[in-house]
Amino acid sequence: DAGVTQSPTHLIKTRGQQVTLRCSPKSGHDTVSWYQQALGQGPQFIFQYYEEEERQRGNFPDRFSGHQFPNYSSELNVNALLLGDSALYLCASSEAGVSLYQETQYFGPGTRLLVL
Amino acid sequence: AQKITQTQPGMFVQEKEAVTLDCTYDTSDPSYGLFWYKQPSSGEMIFLIYQGSYDQQNATEGRYSLNFQKARKSANLVISASQLGDSAMYFCAMREGQGGSEKLVFGKGTKLTVNP
Repeated sequence: DAGVTQSPTHLIKTRGQQVTLRCSPKSGHDTVSWYQQALGQGPQFIFQYYEEEERQRGNFPDRFSGHQFPNYSSELNVNALLLGDSALYLCASSEAGVSLYQETQYFGPGTRLLVL
Repeated sequence: AQKITQTQPGMFVQEKEAVTLDCTYDTSDPSYGLFWYKQPSSGEMIFLIYQGSYDQQNATEGRYSLNFQKARKSANLVISASQLGDSAMYFCAMREGQGGSEKLVFGKGTKLTVNP
């Protein structure tokens, strides 16, 4: 049973560029959430996708956008990169509508983004 | 105000001993879930244990148990018989509301070091 996968594992970009990160959820999961984890901090919620719609959003600017595909995989796009966007980006998947325990979010290995 | 507080930036424990990692939370929602995740240096967040606000008994998963004191709003993680592989960052997180797919709010984490 494959877990959550993310690509790429590492990425280096320069200020002003755009980046796309990808996530494939755990088998049987239909909901994808994205988190940003700055160095030395806990993850911060960016947004969540369910049924190809953004279902919930954290306190992140519009430069951060996403998409969910019919196969439940998801992309996170960040435009006009800033130095402060350097972080570990984590994707988590869950299955909506089941017991609260089963809606536990399972995380992927993350993408480490460095903005120079 | 912080919703999740982890007051121990770092903890040390001898191999085979038990250790308690502290977590306090703040919410006015009667329905919530509390989670503990382990994050090794590789970056992946590994789900350890879940406690629902209505659960009557403390959650246990193998060597992990959650000491849930609802009136004190604390959800401490107890790791019994520590192993060298337990060395990692540990994050406490909370999900508010009935639906399982609401965002997780994380604490700042505790770095656990297990000494041989």
